[in-house]
Amino acid sequence: SQQGEEDPQALSIQEGENATMNCSYKTSINNLQWYRQNSGRGLVHLILIRSNEREKHSGRLRVTLDTSKKSSSLLITASRAADTASYFCGIQGAQKLVFGQGTRLTINP
Amino acid sequence: NAGVTQTPKFQVLKTGQSMTLQCAQDMNHEYMSWYRQDPGMGLRLIHYSVGAGITDQGEVPNGYNVSRSTTEDFPLRLLSAAPSQTSVYFCASIEGVNTEAFFGQGTRLTVV
Repeated sequence: SQQGEEDPQALSIQEGENATMNCSYKTSINNLQWYRQNSGRGLVHLILIRSNEREKHSGRLRVTLDTSKKSSSLLITASRAADTASYFCGIQGAQKLVFGQGTRLTINP
Repeated sequence: NAGVTQTPKFQVLKTGQSMTLQCAQDMNHEYMSWYRQDPGMGLRLIHYSVGAGITDQGEVPNGYNVSRSTTEDFPLRLLSAAPSQTSVYFCASIEGVNTEAFFGQGTRLTVV
């Protein structure tokens, strides 16, 4: 079974709106990472947040981490059509990196 | 730098055949991993390695073998292919803990 769970499984919004997706996990972590995947291609790294960090920003992306609740959220502001993709959270413990099932985000023009 | 290179990109096997999926990275990363992704699903970890000569099982290791004789290469062997192994396989490399993973473009495998 996968150690991360994303919510929602699918999200459809209008261009320009903000998109929020969540990730919950069960084990202790060194860091949590968010990735984007376009149409069956390889995953592309977006942002990494360490277990001792609570919030990170990168351009239009904002990631929060609450280790007490074992959860993280990814916020994409001012969405664009090019943001249409699947988004995955990766959980890295001592060594291995495991992923959840992802959120399928669709941005409607 | 080429990054992470996977070969082949596509493969069709008959049930019971064996084959090796190749993965090579030129970034001198210590960590390498193999994942499979089924339609509409996330990535499930098959095997991973934290350095040459060191491998360990992931979430779905049955039916697969790996070895890590060099830092650069991490081949995945299917011992006796089954239709349930039809999937897209991704290889990834990571420099170490608290660093990002770099993914190959994937190998699309069909077992008939």
